[in-house]
Amino acid sequence: GENVEQHPSTLSVQEGDSAVIKCTYSDSASNYFPWYKQELGKRPQLIIDIRSNVGEKKDQRIAVTLNKTAKHFSLHITETQPEDSAVYFCAAISYWDSTLTFGKGTMLLVSP
Amino acid sequence: GAGVSQSPSNKVTEKGKDVELRCDPISGHTALYWYRQSLGQGLEFLIYFQGNSAPDKSGLPSDRFSAERTGGSVSTLTIQRTQQEDSAVYLCASSPDRTGGDNEQFFGPGTRLTVL
Repeated sequence: GENVEQHPSTLSVQEGDSAVIKCTYSDSASNYFPWYKQELGKRPQLIIDIRSNVGEKKDQRIAVTLNKTAKHFSLHITETQPEDSAVYFCAAISYWDSTLTFGKGTMLLVSP
Repeated sequence: GAGVSQSPSNKVTEKGKDVELRCDPISGHTALYWYRQSLGQGLEFLIYFQGNSAPDKSGLPSDRFSAERTGGSVSTLTIQRTQQEDSAVYLCASSPDRTGGDNEQFFGPGTRLTVL
């Protein structure tokens, strides 16, 4: 089955800096890669996703890149703000699978 | 519209008791997922429903765990003879359609289970 590794486990940045979270996956058949943000005590919510026919996708300060050859994808947050502080989860799924495989999460702390 | 709801929001029980957790998915969503999240940990997949059937039960940690879904809507996760290691937040998610697998999952607020 799919295995997703996520790094780093914690990331501390100053407000205004950029933050990058990286994930690798094992199943070359995986074709959908969502990112979820989970604020403390709240439910995970989708913030951005990318499909394997696209190399990069951007939504305001958030972008995701995908390298299918290397089987890794990354989340980029620019001009970070304190409200970006949360745990971020990457995930992967193959078209033929029934479930997402999540990474273990990255706790992002943005200091004012 | 209403999102995914779960009840109870908190459940404290004694070791050895049975508990039942409920999930109401978004109306019309055919796929439903249960996850477990231990303190500070990631999302551990438990079971997936497509309609009323559960094609993937691979994540259930033991035979004390079971789940059902009736009418293609509400789902209940039952944990029998609870153990302290069952303490976690149990999250339910639903998505519109399983087809293709690449559908956004909408999460409920979770049920925090504490086994004393």
